[in-house]
Amino acid sequence: EVQLVESGGGLVQPGGSLRLSCVASGFTFNNYAMSWVRQAPGKGLEWVSGISGDTRNTYYADSVKGRFTISRDNSKSTLYLQLNSLRVEDTAVYYCTRYRLFGEPRYSDFWGQGTLVSVSS
Amino acid sequence: EIVLTQSPGTLSLSPGESATLSCRASQSVSNSYVAWYQQKPGQAPRPLIYGASSRATGIPDRFSGSGSGTDFTLTISRLEPEDFAVYHCQQYGSSPYSFGQGTKLEIK
Repeated sequence: EVQLVESGGGLVQPGGSLRLSCVASGFTFNNYAMSWVRQAPGKGLEWVSGISGDTRNTYYADSVKGRFTISRDNSKSTLYLQLNSLRVEDTAVYYCTRYRLFGEPRYSDFWGQGTLVSVSS
Repeated sequence: EIVLTQSPGTLSLSPGESATLSCRASQSVSNSYVAWYQQKPGQAPRPLIYGASSRATGIPDRFSGSGSGTDFTLTISRLEPEDFAVYHCQQYGSSPYSFGQGTKLEIK
């Protein structure tokens, strides 16, 4: 059974940092790209960042470029998102998802339950 | 960046009726790489449709998707009580993989 379990969320002040983790199980982790998608309270979904299975390629939304860094440790089947220079508008539930860059299908077919990041003074 | 616009924002229908949800892209989506997700309060999104028209694993055939280019549609026939939720479309044809703002399907 595929499982994605996020952790690392919490309350942080503006300008602060957090590192989110997503532990994957039930599939061959390095065969899949992974992404982070967030949802601000009462709002829609926003794709944040993605990374290829071999870690060579990373992708970012303009809203987080230069502040967030995605990475993965395939030996630990774990995805990370380093959040720096946090802003109030980064407050959201952050979901980890599995997808593919090659082959089919390429959509986000599995999602974790999310971890809440709250940025407030 | 491709901007997705979903309509209507809210759709009020009764169980047994059919729902038609629209997702319009600001430019053509390559390979019709559009997915639809269902989300209920406090839950993660659940994949419904990918590649514009293929149903995800375990999704009943009451859910169907269609479209190409810039116009995509999710149709839900014979609405069941558990279908009332928020529906999101996403394009994954070009980075960044953008989402629409969502359509809320509520019980009339």
